[in-house]
Amino acid sequence: GQQVMQIPQYQHVQEGEDFTTYCNSSTTLSNIQWYKQRPGGHPVFLIQLVKSGEVKKQKRLTFQFGEAKKNSSLHITATQTTDVGTYFCAGREGTALIFGKGTTLSVSS
Amino acid sequence: NAGVTQTPKFRVLKTGQSMTLLCAQDMNHEYMYWYRQDPGMGLRLIHYSVGEGTTAKGEVPDGYNVSRLKKQNFLLGLESAAPSQTSVYFCASSSGGVGKQYFGPGTRLTVT
Repeated sequence: GQQVMQIPQYQHVQEGEDFTTYCNSSTTLSNIQWYKQRPGGHPVFLIQLVKSGEVKKQKRLTFQFGEAKKNSSLHITATQTTDVGTYFCAGREGTALIFGKGTTLSVSS
Repeated sequence: NAGVTQTPKFRVLKTGQSMTLLCAQDMNHEYMYWYRQDPGMGLRLIHYSVGEGTTAKGEVPDGYNVSRLKKQNFLLGLESAAPSQTSVYFCASSSGGVGKQYFGPGTRLTVT
């Protein structure tokens, strides 16, 4: 079945530094979704990318979908302490989402 | 509008005991899902439902059963709990099969 791999597993940054997490699929994805989970919380939907090469921005967050629709990335510019949490990508397989294992971001001020 | 709610929030079971986790959503969503989350493993799909009266197996269905008798509720049952089922369980719902998923707050289950 489809596998979705995310790297890195953990990332620690100083506040103000940039952060990027990468997501790779073993198969071509119809779309990809990104979620954020704060410590002790539940996953919250951030965005969905559908088109090849698509780039979407949400304030300091930039999401990209690869040309081959097999990879994606999330880049955060100038991290803040509020960015702390685990970021998951999820690729669609039929009616189900296959989640990557996530990248946990910690930020020190 | 409460979104997705889960009952209970915490539970401790002894090996061999049974329990049912309840998920309820008030958004009239057709699709509902049960995931488990273990450290370093991300979210793994247990079972899901594409509508009232339907259920399907996900990635890790063994040891669990589900029922969707009402559109707004999705129940997850453990017939004979095992320590390997110690986990955080999340329920989610979506209006369509391709849309974003709304997650509940989770149930932290410990099996001793």
